[in-house]
Amino acid sequence: TQLLEQSPQFLSIQEGENLTVYCNSSSVFSSLQWYRQEPGEGPVLLVTVVTGGEVKKLKRLTFQFGDARKDSSLHITAAQPGDTGLYLCAGAPAFGNEKLTFGTGTRLTIIP
Amino acid sequence: ETGVTQSPTHLIKTRGQQVTLRCSSQSGHNTVSWYQQALGQGPQFIFQYYREEENGRGNFPPRFSGLQFPNYSSELNVNALELDDSALYLCASSLISERETQYFGPGTRLLVL
Repeated sequence: TQLLEQSPQFLSIQEGENLTVYCNSSSVFSSLQWYRQEPGEGPVLLVTVVTGGEVKKLKRLTFQFGDARKDSSLHITAAQPGDTGLYLCAGAPAFGNEKLTFGTGTRLTIIP
Repeated sequence: ETGVTQSPTHLIKTRGQQVTLRCSSQSGHNTVSWYQQALGQGPQFIFQYYREEENGRGNFPPRFSGLQFPNYSSELNVNALELDDSALYLCASSLISERETQYFGPGTRLLVL
């Protein structure tokens, strides 16, 4: 069983500040996704990273895949109240026929 | 393009009962996956269906079963409900060739008393 651990578990910051969320594993993944989930809704895919060392930007969000494809980070610049939500990373195993493994989640609250 | 829909949105059952949850895949998607998300946790993979057959299963007991129909809609059945089965049940559809890119429905929140 592959585990993805996210940190921090909870984060509450003021509007306009920057933050970084981490997703770590001892396993190698062929790709890694980041999702955001709001209360009462299913997760919404934000980005997929595939290549070790890859960096993708989505407006104020920057996603990085670790060189060894075992970890990832999400950096948000100038956080806004609309960024509030549960951020989940999910990895597709590099080997075998297992399915997506989700991380434990980071609950982010941006205070206006 | 129609997104993934699930029914019902909420459900209350008692221990020992059986429940059926339903999911309609996004148009054109041939694969459906089911996940269980306990409060404060990330989703846990239950199983995946492709071409009406189970195509992978997570660490869930046999009382969790499913079906996929020719129109790619799907059902999740849970027998002999236990209190710990209380959770948000998510359905996600995808193309088998793009298994990592999954589109989730809003979920069914099940409460077992």
